[in-house]
Amino acid sequence: AQSVTQLGSHVSVSEGALVLLRCNYSSSVPPYLFWYVQYPNQGLQLLLKYTSAATLVKGINGFEAEFKKSETSFHLTKPSAHMSDAAEYFCAVRKDDKIIFGKGTRLHILP
Amino acid sequence: DTAVSQTPKYLVTQMGNDKSIKCEQNLGHDTMYWYKQDSKKFLKIMFSYNNKELIINETVPNRFSPKSPDKAHLNLHINSLELGDSAVYFCASSQDPPGLAYEQYFGPGTRLTVT
Repeated sequence: AQSVTQLGSHVSVSEGALVLLRCNYSSSVPPYLFWYVQYPNQGLQLLLKYTSAATLVKGINGFEAEFKKSETSFHLTKPSAHMSDAAEYFCAVRKDDKIIFGKGTRLHILP
Repeated sequence: DTAVSQTPKYLVTQMGNDKSIKCEQNLGHDTMYWYKQDSKKFLKIMFSYNNKELIINETVPNRFSPKSPDKAHLNLHINSLELGDSAVYFCASSQDPPGLAYEQYFGPGTRLTVT
């Protein structure tokens, strides 16, 4: 069965600090993995996706994620947090014809 | 131009009523979805349609009935609304499921409150 687990429902970082949001997947086959962001009162927006072309994936707004098969992880990072990064972040994996979402991590940015 | 649009954005209604939420996408995608997001932000798929044909129907009460008049529209009708139906409902669309690593494009959501 394919699923994702996001570690930490809330993460707080200071403005300018490194952002690290953790996601582990379970999959019996090479997965397609995604990170989505949801700003308050908005729909989800794709940040980046892993398609097996490259293990380090760059996305929008300075975010990137690294696929590590040995750790079954797909953690999301950003070198320097901005106040505008405050949002809910979802890791997701493709399963058959649908995408299964993790439970989300709320990112708080401290001034 | 809005890619995936939903109406209404907010919907407040009483228990027992019947209501509909409309969704339209102008991306030319063949597949559309309905998701329910609860108060804890958990996002769960309800239905998906591919070219007007139902392909995913998760464990959803049969009070919920999707309708796709054409591949650009997927509406959600809910009968006999219950308090537990209160949530944010998101419509999404994507390319054909067999496509490689397709991503989904989401609408802005409809916040349904049942009183």
